[in-house]
Order: sequence, then C-alpha cells, then structure tokens
Amino acid sequence: GAVVSQHPSWVICKSGTSVKIECRSLDFQATTMFWYRQFPKQSLMLMATSNEGSKATYEQGVEKDKFLINHASLTLSTLTVTSAHPEDSSFYICSASLPETQYFGPGTRLLVL
Amino acid sequence: QKEVEQDPGPLSVPEGAIVSLNCTYSNSAFQYFMWYRQYSRKGPELLMYTYSSGNKEDGRFTAQVDKSSKYISLFIRDSQPSDSATYLCAMSRYSGGGADGLTFGKGTHLIIQP
Repeated sequence: GAVVSQHPSWVICKSGTSVKIECRSLDFQATTMFWYRQFPKQSLMLMATSNEGSKATYEQGVEKDKFLINHASLTLSTLTVTSAHPEDSSFYICSASLPETQYFGPGTRLLVL
Repeated sequence: QKEVEQDPGPLSVPEGAIVSLNCTYSNSAFQYFMWYRQYSRKGPELLMYTYSSGNKEDGRFTAQVDKSSKYISLFIRDSQPSDSATYLCAMSRYSGGGADGLTFGKGTHLIIQP
C-alpha cells in the first residue's frame, strides 16, 4: 500500500514553454500533498504544500506564479512550471501525507533547454 | 547553522559490516523522525518512522532517537551491496509532515563493497 505515482518521469522542453507534472496517490486518499525539488547532490527542498480544494502554500523564495499547483481531488495534485527556463531544470518529487508520514513518488526529471 | 546536519559521505564499508548513519538537528520542535533510502534518480523510499526517543527495530534496520541530544541514528546490520544508496534523514513537527512538510538532511551516500 501507500503508492504514489508521478507522470511524466522525464521531460525535456524548450525555454519559455510550460510543463505539467501529475502526482497521484494510487491506493489511498491524501488531503495534503507536498512538492519538493532536488538539485544534484543536494537534499530535497520543500517547495509547496498542496491541500485538496484550497490554494497551495508556498515556501519562501518559491514563485507561486511560476509554479502553479492544483489539488483538484484527494488523489491528484498537479505542478505546472510556467515559462520554464534552464535554471528550473531539476528533479521534482511529490509526496502524499498519511497520518504517520509521507510517501514519495518516483520523481520527474525536468530538463529545460 | 542548518536545521538538520548530515554527513554526505561517501561512506564505504565491506559487505556484512554494521553501518551507522547519523543526523543532528537544532529545532527542538521536531517530534517525528524518518529515514528514507534513495537510489540514484529515484524517489525516496520510507525505511523507518519513529516518534519517541529510544530504539525501533525492523528487520536489519534499527532507528534510534535521542531527543535530549537532538541526535538520531540508523543502524544497518549485515549490510548488503543492495543497500548501497543515499540515506536521508527527515523530521517534522507534526505527524505526516502536517503543514510544514518534512525537513531533510543532505543525505549520506553509502557504498557497500562486495
């Protein structure tokens, strides 16, 4: 149990385009999902907290207009990177919260050319 | 001072050895502690979850929490080459991360030599 999926696993896009990443909890419902970003040889850094049916809460320094988060149902949250630039290239990982801890998706590697 | 300190390694040990991985933290509000394993280019996989001070054992893994010293450890017995990965400690104020999410250490890169 407690499986979280992400799609796509890999995406390459041109600078200026937008990219949508989906995060799904497959066998449970998650009121809260989280989005993290991980640069090479660095740890996971929390970007935002996504609550079903309400606006996301962004961490300091994360541009909410650039990283649009939608949590439309208890099993799906989406992250849209708008007008992506090369510095947005990173590994994006979502997690879904259960009472005791968080379970992570496999991650999405984004490369912006 | 970072909230969570973790030696990035790499830590290289022979197969069968006992591995000790550690994290220290500065925020006394952290109450929930987790260890995740992350293989290259994959999402973190939950290994252990603890709340109270003391030891928790699960198979070859033992998690230890000392809240008075703000120090947590993960021990791996009878280490195997397949244990080679990056081990991340994580902690939060609230169960499930609550409204804060998890705060991670930088991760320790572990190499088990056959």
